[in-house]
Amino acid sequence: QVELQESGPGLVKPSQTLSLTCSVSGGSIRSGNYYWSWIRQPAGKGLEWIGRIYTSGSTNYNPSLQSRVTMSIDTSKNQFSLKLSSVTAADTAMYYCVNSGGVWGQGTMVTVSS
Amino acid sequence: QTVVTQEPSLTVSPGGTVTLTCASSTGPVTSDYYPNWFQQKPGQAPTTLIFSTKFKHSWTPARFSGSLLGGKAALTLSGGQPEDEADYYCLLFYGGAWVFGGGTKLTVL
Repeated sequence: QVELQESGPGLVKPSQTLSLTCSVSGGSIRSGNYYWSWIRQPAGKGLEWIGRIYTSGSTNYNPSLQSRVTMSIDTSKNQFSLKLSSVTAADTAMYYCVNSGGVWGQGTMVTVSS
Repeated sequence: QTVVTQEPSLTVSPGGTVTLTCASSTGPVTSDYYPNWFQQKPGQAPTTLIFSTKFKHSWTPARFSGSLLGGKAALTLSGGQPEDEADYYCLLFYGGAWVFGGGTKLTVL
């Protein structure tokens, strides 16, 4: 069974870039026709789709975040990553990585604060 | 801006049946929207129950089913259990981008 684990700084300063990595275990990130997504959830609120990346590197982003989001994939490390630039307090949330096979990571909390 | 609408809250009796729905501001939901349904219990990451309208994962309890109903995506719980009390989210595909519904808080009472 594939497992996903998010990692990255829990605290980011306003205007800086949030960087998270999702490590895939129990299977190859290249196997199947999966795509790999990032989803976030502010405390007490609903889920927001951030974007997805295919093994080929092809991406789709949430239009509302597109100007600030970059996703990448490193098949040699079995990882994929999220970068969100120019963060504000509104980007404070739990960030989850998910694969198209329905598997979620446990999430990592990111707080934007000076 | 596309809006996906779910019932804010619903209640089901233990052993009862309830249907949660997911509507799109763009019009009727069809299988081309590949509806997904997720369950989230307090303090936990969501889990995926249904994908592509009606397909279940190996871990999805049999009492959950997905369908299209009256122009909406639907998640039906037949025989609700106390452990089904949770938030439920739908997710719809819009040609490259996905949009979540606001979620339904389901109470088993």
